[in-house]
Amino acid sequence: GAGVSQSPSNKVTEKGKDVELRCDPISGHTALYWYRQSLGQGLEFLIYFQGNSAPDKSGLPSDRFSAERTGGSVSTLTIQRTQQEDSAVYLCASSAPGYAPYSSLHFGNGTRLTVT
Amino acid sequence: SQQGEEDPQALSIQEGENATMNCSYKTSINNLQWYRQNSGRGLVHLILIRSNEREKHSGRLRVTLDTSKKSSSLLITASRAADTASYFCATDERYGGSQGNLIFGKGTKLSVKP
Repeated sequence: GAGVSQSPSNKVTEKGKDVELRCDPISGHTALYWYRQSLGQGLEFLIYFQGNSAPDKSGLPSDRFSAERTGGSVSTLTIQRTQQEDSAVYLCASSAPGYAPYSSLHFGNGTRLTVT
Repeated sequence: SQQGEEDPQALSIQEGENATMNCSYKTSINNLQWYRQNSGRGLVHLILIRSNEREKHSGRLRVTLDTSKKSSSLLITASRAADTASYFCATDERYGGSQGNLIFGKGTKLSVKP
């Protein structure tokens, strides 16, 4: 079946503009995660959605970052007034229903964001 | 917050040799997972070990977990050039936050030379 799909794969934007990054999780997966990966670095947790529960937004770096998950499926990560330090690869992952601590994540290939 | 820390940061070996990567973490966990990332791609899940398990095998992969030392190791036996990738450990947080939030380390970059 289809894996996690992210769009666009690459995005170049000017400093100060807003961007929207999209994630289509695997059908039936209830958990959805956004991470950020700077060049050659590990993954920085941003936000986590689990079913109908309130999302865990503890990783969002500033109020310029927000995310939505509509209908428990597609998610959009929005970055307002982009800054050069926002340049990174934004990775989305989803996991199947079940006890979350014992679930593995399925990742998309990411959106490479470049802020000029 | 940083949870898992892998070492070494980079490892270069010859094909056929074994590769060992280590991960240390700070808090109590439910599970520890290892992922692989090829250049320019997303991460792929390799193996999950629960906190009450000490060792797990999957093909050429062997993972150990020592909860008393808060550490894990990933061993890849008889390495191949195709194993060249970055390897990350990830743990869930059992303090604060919401369970299920996976925190990743910075990874070990493995290079296997033919």
